[in-house]
Amino acid sequence: SQTIHQWPATLVQPVGSPLSLECTVEGTSNPNLYWYRQAAGRGLQLLFYSVGIGQISSEVPQNLSASRPQDRQFILSSKKLLLSDSGFYLCAWLSPPGLAGRRYNEQFFGPGTRLTVL
Amino acid sequence: DAKTTQPPSMDCAEGRAANLPCNHSTISGNEYVYWYRQIHSQGPQYIIHGLKNNETNEMASLIITEDRKSSTLILPHATLRDTAVYYCIVRVDGSSGDKLTFGTGTRLAVRP
Repeated sequence: SQTIHQWPATLVQPVGSPLSLECTVEGTSNPNLYWYRQAAGRGLQLLFYSVGIGQISSEVPQNLSASRPQDRQFILSSKKLLLSDSGFYLCAWLSPPGLAGRRYNEQFFGPGTRLTVL
Repeated sequence: DAKTTQPPSMDCAEGRAANLPCNHSTISGNEYVYWYRQIHSQGPQYIIHGLKNNETNEMASLIITEDRKSSTLILPHATLRDTAVYYCIVRVDGSSGDKLTFGTGTRLAVRP
């Protein structure tokens, strides 16, 4: 079966510090991977998505970046955090066609990382 | 992807049906309607999706109007555990990147 992991679960960082959030998926290959952010009381905002190793598409301009060094690993980074970067960060993957036991194109979300920038 | 419009909040009594509307007047012919929900502090969870026919599964029913410009998610017997934010999304299956763009959704409160 497929699982998605995110860590850490919670993080408190000072303004100007770097950030690295990691997401890994098990049990599938070549998944589409996504990073979302949800600010307090707001909807989900798509930040980045990736259809393969080294392929990153950015949805919104910001001081965050994403990388996909391996097929099932997706990393969200920042060199200098801003107060506005606080939020709930979710990684997700999309089930490809033909994956046993999964609906085609159903998106599955990780447990999330709650980031507070002080 | 076409945009959707949902009421910001709704409530219903436990045990009654919850009917959550969604407008997607600019939907294209090859776009599906998806519904997800997000319980507090968790990632969104898939509920149901459809193209033009009504759909039903173990969680909910999806009613899509004939012109496909709106849809309704029906939770037939709402429980307190159904309290969540419900997102209606439209997108083309199989499109490059397969992006899911979430709006602000409808916050459903199920009261005892």
